[in-house]
Amino acid sequence: AQSVTQLDSQVPVFEEAPVELRCNYSSSVSVYLFWYVQYPNQGLQLLLKYLSGSTLVESINGFEAEFNKSQTSFHLRKPSVHISDTAEYFCAVSDRTGGGADGLTFGKGTHLIIQP
Amino acid sequence: DAGITQSPRYKITETGRQVTLMCHQTWSHSYMFWYRQDLGHGLRLIYYSAAADITDKGEVPDGYVVSRSKTENFPLTLESATRSQTSVYFCASSPGQPIRGGYTFGSGTRLTVV
Repeated sequence: AQSVTQLDSQVPVFEEAPVELRCNYSSSVSVYLFWYVQYPNQGLQLLLKYLSGSTLVESINGFEAEFNKSQTSFHLRKPSVHISDTAEYFCAVSDRTGGGADGLTFGKGTHLIIQP
Repeated sequence: DAGITQSPRYKITETGRQVTLMCHQTWSHSYMFWYRQDLGHGLRLIYYSAAADITDKGEVPDGYVVSRSKTENFPLTLESATRSQTSVYFCASSPGQPIRGGYTFGSGTRLTVV
C-alpha cells in the first residue's frame, strides 16, 4: 500500500514570488506520481505526471516537479506565481506494477493562496 | 459531449432519505471511482469498479451502495442519508491499470443533508 504526505495544508505566497509545495510518499513498490490542481468549485485536473525517464517534469503553465527517489519526494515548484494559480493542489501516487486495484492514493491537499 | 458528467451538481436532502448521485463517462474506461472530499481529509475513496458488474469497497464505504450494470454508468446511492454524509462527491475514470494516465474527474456533486 502507498501513502502520500503533503506537509503544508496552506501556503500563502505573494504574487510573482516563487513557491514550492511539498509531497512525500511511501511505497513498497515502484510508483507513478501525479500532481492535480483543483480550482474553486471545480473538479480535479491533472497538472503533471512522472512515469519514467527524466526526473524533472513540467506543466504547460510553468509548474515543474522533480522526482527524488532517495528522498521519496515529488515537490511541485513554480518560479513566479500569479493570482490565477490560487487553487488546491493534490499529490497522488499509483502502483507501477498495477497491483493497487483501487487506483490512485491522494495526499490531503495544499491550498495555495496568492496574495497581491 | 465526450467526457465524464455528474448529476446533479447540487443536492439538498433530508436525513433518512435515499439519494442517488449519477456518473456517466463516454470513453468506455474500465475503471471508475467515487470519492468524497471534506475539509481536513482531502479525497477519500468510497467505492471503485474495475469493469461492469465488478465493484469493490474503498476507504469509507459505509452507508453507500454502488452498481455498474453498464460500463459508462456508475451511480452512487446513499441508502439513508445522514448529516455526516454532507460532502462534495467526485466521480473519476481511468482506462486501466496501472494508472499511467491518471484519472479524469467529473465536476462534482455538492450534497447537503439537513
